[in-house]
Amino acid sequence: GAVVSQHPSWVICKSGTSVKIECRSLDFQATTMFWYRQFPKQSLMLMATSNEGSKATYEQGVEKDKFLINHASLTLSTLTVTSAHPEDSSFYICSAGSGNTIYFGEGSWLTVV
Amino acid sequence: AQSVTQPDIHITVSEGASLELRCNYSYGATPYLFWYVQSPGQGLQLLLKYFSGDTLVQGIKGFEAEFKRSQSSFNLRKPSVHWSDAAEYFCAVAPIPLSNFGNEKLTFGTGTRLTIIP
Repeated sequence: GAVVSQHPSWVICKSGTSVKIECRSLDFQATTMFWYRQFPKQSLMLMATSNEGSKATYEQGVEKDKFLINHASLTLSTLTVTSAHPEDSSFYICSAGSGNTIYFGEGSWLTVV
Repeated sequence: AQSVTQPDIHITVSEGASLELRCNYSYGATPYLFWYVQSPGQGLQLLLKYFSGDTLVQGIKGFEAEFKRSQSSFNLRKPSVHWSDAAEYFCAVAPIPLSNFGNEKLTFGTGTRLTIIP
């Protein structure tokens, strides 16, 4: 079946540095992918819609200059957290649709120290 | 704006007992409805979905959900829970019509954490 994979699963970075998270659709093409953020014991909040070949669409309140999204191919979207701060520490999940189902990646834990 | 409410933050049931997790939605029309499960530190796995037709939907792992239009509800049920069912459960909606399914963002409920007592 369709699979969405994220990498890395875990990442620790220092404050002020940038970190990139990849989201891949392994056996299907996805013109659109979604990036969600989840704080501990909370629900998923949509951050942005990643569109292949065009600019991402950000939800209200999400800083587009801080959370850079690139969807350069039909199977890969990347989320770069720039100048990371401890408050950016969170669980980031991507999703993509295939057929009539939306699939989620395994998620990426980001810890900023 | 559409919204999803999961009234129960945390539910504890004994292994072998039946389970019902509540989900109510607010939307101008009947949206597409989903239930996902998330184990600690993991991504989300789709349990089942409702688009149209039979209002009782069967999913994986022995779960089912019933869509009730009059109550704007889509409650998840399982007749006998197993210890491995302990997880976080999320109800989600997507708007209709879906011009190109997969390219629609989901709105999630706040989740219900399920604890299983041996």
